[in-house]
Amino acid sequence: AQSVTQLDSQVPVFEEAPVELRCNYSSSVSVYLFWYVQYPNQGLQLLLKYLSGSTLVKGINGFEAEFNKSQTSFHLRKPSVHISDTAEYFCAFNAGGTSYGKLTFGQGTILTVHP
Amino acid sequence: NAGVTQTPKFQVLKTGQSMTLQCAQDMNHEYMSWYRQDPGMGLRLIHYSVGAGITDQGEVPNGYNVSRSTTEDFPLRLLSAAPSQTSVYFCASSYSSGPGYEQYFGPGTRLTVT
Repeated sequence: AQSVTQLDSQVPVFEEAPVELRCNYSSSVSVYLFWYVQYPNQGLQLLLKYLSGSTLVKGINGFEAEFNKSQTSFHLRKPSVHISDTAEYFCAFNAGGTSYGKLTFGQGTILTVHP
Repeated sequence: NAGVTQTPKFQVLKTGQSMTLQCAQDMNHEYMSWYRQDPGMGLRLIHYSVGAGITDQGEVPNGYNVSRSTTEDFPLRLLSAAPSQTSVYFCASSYSSGPGYEQYFGPGTRLTVT
């Protein structure tokens, strides 16, 4: 079965510290991978996506993610976080082919940045 | 561009009542979908549409109906509300039904069924 697992439900971190949010996926076919962010009481917004090519993907707000096919991972990183990065982050994938635009989401990771 | 709009923002229903959650997009997007968000479960796909007149079921379709008579609108109908349908509902759209396109999400409808 195809699935996405976000390994941490909550990640507390101090301002200006680095952060890594972990995501592993399980799929028998090639996938397209996404990270979305949800600020409090808002909809989801795309941070970055991996379709093909370079395994290091840069997104908005200084975030980046690395696709690792052998470890089936797509971890999200930021070298120095701000208070404004406090939000819930979702990893998602699409299996391509006849799956159209259907996204399978992970459970979400709540990032809390403390001053 | 208003993007993806959803109404209402909040709704309280009694068990057994029916209602329609509205979703509209003004970006001429081909693909639209509905998700529900529950704590600790991420978002799960309810129904989706690859174009006007074409809809299909997602992961959790039971208790919900959809139709797509125009490109812009994709309403979600709850036939007979149950407490298990208490959730936050998000509508999303993308330019194409191809897999790599960014999906744009509405602000959500928070539904409580008592």
